[in-house]
Amino acid sequence: GDSVTQMEGPVTLSEEAFLTINCTYTATGYPSLFWYVQYPGEGLQLLLKATKADDKGSNKGFEATYRKETTSFHLEKGSVQVSDSAVYFCAVRPRSNDYKLSFGAGTTVTVRA
Amino acid sequence: KAGVTQTPRYLIKTRGQQVTLSCSPISGHRSVSWYQQTPGQGLQFLFEYFSETQRNKGNFPGRFSGRQFSNSRSEMNVSTLELGDSALYLCASSIGTGIAQEKLFFGSGTQLSVL
Repeated sequence: GDSVTQMEGPVTLSEEAFLTINCTYTATGYPSLFWYVQYPGEGLQLLLKATKADDKGSNKGFEATYRKETTSFHLEKGSVQVSDSAVYFCAVRPRSNDYKLSFGAGTTVTVRA
Repeated sequence: KAGVTQTPRYLIKTRGQQVTLSCSPISGHRSVSWYQQTPGQGLQFLFEYFSETQRNKGNFPGRFSGRQFSNSRSEMNVSTLELGDSALYLCASSIGTGIAQEKLFFGSGTQLSVL
């Protein structure tokens, strides 16, 4: 079935550092790809998404590009803030009648002032 | 607009007991999905309900069950609890099923501890 592998954490950074979280997927056809974020004590919320190859999703300074040739959807931010401390989940949704999202294990990011 | 509400926030049970968790979706949302979150496994899909019907089911034993009411509220039940059921249970709602599920709105979860 469809699955996602994302880099293990935890990741600890200083403010204004560059953040990359790697995500690769296994899926048939042309799935949609997502990044969700979970701030401490809260539920997950959609951060960004891309629905076709070479699409770039972006939100709150974060970006991720759908790379079909490498089956990847890496999340990047050029200058992180303490408020970006959270758990980040990569997810894939197949283009089929089965619409459920499959999530990666999550990557914990801590940004220090 | 109120978000997804899950109750209770915390639960402590002992092995062999059963538990019922509740989820109220965002007003107007008709699809409710349940996920189990553990540190090692991440989020594992349990099931999805839409219009009181189970539309999708993950790979969990029959001890895990759910239902949805006519007002879209959903409950999840776990019977004969095991230590391994200790987890954060997340509920997510979306406007509809199918492609509408691309945008899920999650609650803060119910933290279940089985002793």
